[in-house]
Amino acid sequence: DADVTQTPRNRITKTGKRIMLECSQTKGHDRMYWYRQDPGLGLRLIYYSFDVKDINKGEISDGYSVSRQAQAKFSLSLESAIPNQTALYFCATSERTGMETQYFGPGTRLLVL
Amino acid sequence: LAKTTQPISMDSYEGQEVNITCSHNNIATNDYITWYQQFPSQGPRFIIQGYKTKVTNEVASLFIPADRKSSTLSLPRVSLSDTAVYYCLVGAFYNQGGKLIFGQGTELSVKP
Repeated sequence: DADVTQTPRNRITKTGKRIMLECSQTKGHDRMYWYRQDPGLGLRLIYYSFDVKDINKGEISDGYSVSRQAQAKFSLSLESAIPNQTALYFCATSERTGMETQYFGPGTRLLVL
Repeated sequence: LAKTTQPISMDSYEGQEVNITCSHNNIATNDYITWYQQFPSQGPRFIIQGYKTKVTNEVASLFIPADRKSSTLSLPRVSLSDTAVYYCLVGAFYNQGGKLIFGQGTELSVKP
């Protein structure tokens, strides 16, 4: 969905490096999420945020941190990247309603050497 | 947390109707059932969502029996472009304690 953008789209980095993935949305949604997807697996939730002052850990938050700079921006950081963090990362947004339809960005493909 | 079980893969031919069933025995009273479609190297895309009985939109139908322990996504007259992975999700975030769990999904292959 073009309303949710992610940068960069592809990134190669080395073990131990700090890296930030950025997500921006123009949908005006309060809620934002970060997922990772590994080959053959479904998406796993890393962190989610219900508004600018709210940050929550998901299933697999270890090794990751996030920052919600504004309603429209949600960044994911790998403080010290390791090879098993090689994956496809997706950002998503949803409205504050009882039906959590999520809108996903195009993804960031990350390779940690 | 409600866990979902769905077939890993399915094959079909163009023009056929495809039904993908998802089991969710531990669904909670407040949970909705949502289906997403994902093409390779793209983010998942919302298809349909329901709570009970039947829901239909321009893309698919969702059938949910009274006990809500399963649901069936029905894709009418599939085409090659429907080849994708389909995820069944059960849950809601609105109660703060809920989570959406993406399972392995069903890889649908549509052949000419």
